[in-house]
Amino acid sequence: DIQMTQSPSSLSASVGDRVTIACRASQSIGIYLNWYQLKPGKAPKLLIYGASSLYSGVPPRFSGSGSGTDFSLTITGLQREDFATYYCQQSYTIPRTFGQGTKVEIK
Amino acid sequence: EVQLVESGGGLVQRGGSLRLSCKASGFTFSSYWMHWVRQVPGKGLVWVSRINGDGTTTTDADSVKGRFTISRDNAQNTLFLQMDSLEVEDTAVYHCAREIKYSKSNEVGRYFDQWGQGTLVTVSS
Repeated sequence: DIQMTQSPSSLSASVGDRVTIACRASQSIGIYLNWYQLKPGKAPKLLIYGASSLYSGVPPRFSGSGSGTDFSLTITGLQREDFATYYCQQSYTIPRTFGQGTKVEIK
Repeated sequence: EVQLVESGGGLVQRGGSLRLSCKASGFTFSSYWMHWVRQVPGKGLVWVSRINGDGTTTTDADSVKGRFTISRDNAQNTLFLQMDSLEVEDTAVYHCAREIKYSKSNEVGRYFDQWGQGTLVTVSS
């Protein structure tokens, strides 16, 4: 199975900050990398697909980059509604695997 | 509007069974691969199982192989997960998700574009 490792596991930030979350795959996955946002009691939301494509309706303050084994999600100008947990996920192969999550908390 | 609504979760003893359902609406259900993904309390997302549009192809995670069975009823727009021989480690919120295929840079990728809110399964010892 492909292991996905996110860092950090949690971070504290203020509204307006720029935040970057890293995700590393245990083997090359090309650009088959997606990012999701989770809030308690809600359905997960897709933010980024194909490593860098913004999903429809997602604010442009979210961006993704990377290929191969190293990827990142950046939120430029953190908003209050962005405080949540973020997961990367590879769609290169089955089983689909997720990172362990990064919780973004209010400083 | 696309909607996925899970049901069927609850409290069950170790070794017991549950059947989860995921009712889909707002799209042509039979055209999509569907998946189950679970979220372990305080931990992350773990992929469980998938099924193709006509129900003829399924794949399960090793951790549930031989115990869980994914199926679908396209006439009722409903996805199922039959969970037998439940273990404490199966305790989680179970989400159904629709998988979309896309093309980018001459590559074909996939993502989960629609998810349900989930149904909680608690297995007691």
